[in-house]
Amino acid sequence: GEDVEQSLFLSVREGDSSVINCTYTDSSSTYLYWYKQEPGAGLQLLTYIFSNMDMKQDQRLTVLLNKKDKHLSLRIADTQTGDSAIYFCADFLMNTGFQKLVFGTGTRLLVSP
Amino acid sequence: DAGVTQSPTHLIKTRGQQVTLRCSPKSGHDTVSWYQQALGQGPQFIFQYYEEEERQRGNFPDRFSGHQFPNYSSELNVNALLLGDSALYLCASRSILPKNTEAFFGQGTRLTVV
Repeated sequence: GEDVEQSLFLSVREGDSSVINCTYTDSSSTYLYWYKQEPGAGLQLLTYIFSNMDMKQDQRLTVLLNKKDKHLSLRIADTQTGDSAIYFCADFLMNTGFQKLVFGTGTRLLVSP
Repeated sequence: DAGVTQSPTHLIKTRGQQVTLRCSPKSGHDTVSWYQQALGQGPQFIFQYYEEEERQRGNFPDRFSGHQFPNYSSELNVNALLLGDSALYLCASRSILPKNTEAFFGQGTRLTVV
């Protein structure tokens, strides 16, 4: 099936690390994405990881993928108040002749000073 | 590069009316997908256009239709609007070749049906 699940809410203090978790169900996942959405705005692509990778680091962002458990996480180091937003995990499904992104419901990250 | 642009940014319509939303893909992209994001939810896939044809479709009724033009821009049409169609409509573009799967999103059109 196609299902992506995320915890709804995470609260951290400025300067701490944030870890946002995501689980997915589809076995044909090729890429997994993290998007950020600020209030009233569209989706900003943060990073993505290919399904044959375990880890990807991009400045303050670290993505970990456990393909066996179908678990994905996004770690934000030195979290800032500007990181407060909703973070969506998305599974890119690329079966024969069919491609689409399946999104989780989003994790609202609140960073307090 | 202007990225993915959508118009209008906001729209208010009455139940039963029809609406057309527009999307211009990022330069170099040839594939456009549309998503519906209801309040408090993640985006849901509506359909995808490539080479001016609908290639894939999500679980949306026929009231939702679209079009892609030779310059790769796209329109989303919704007929007989219902209150439940109120949502943020997002357009995403990518390139089929090379197998670049980075999907870039526009800022969305906020549709309110009253």
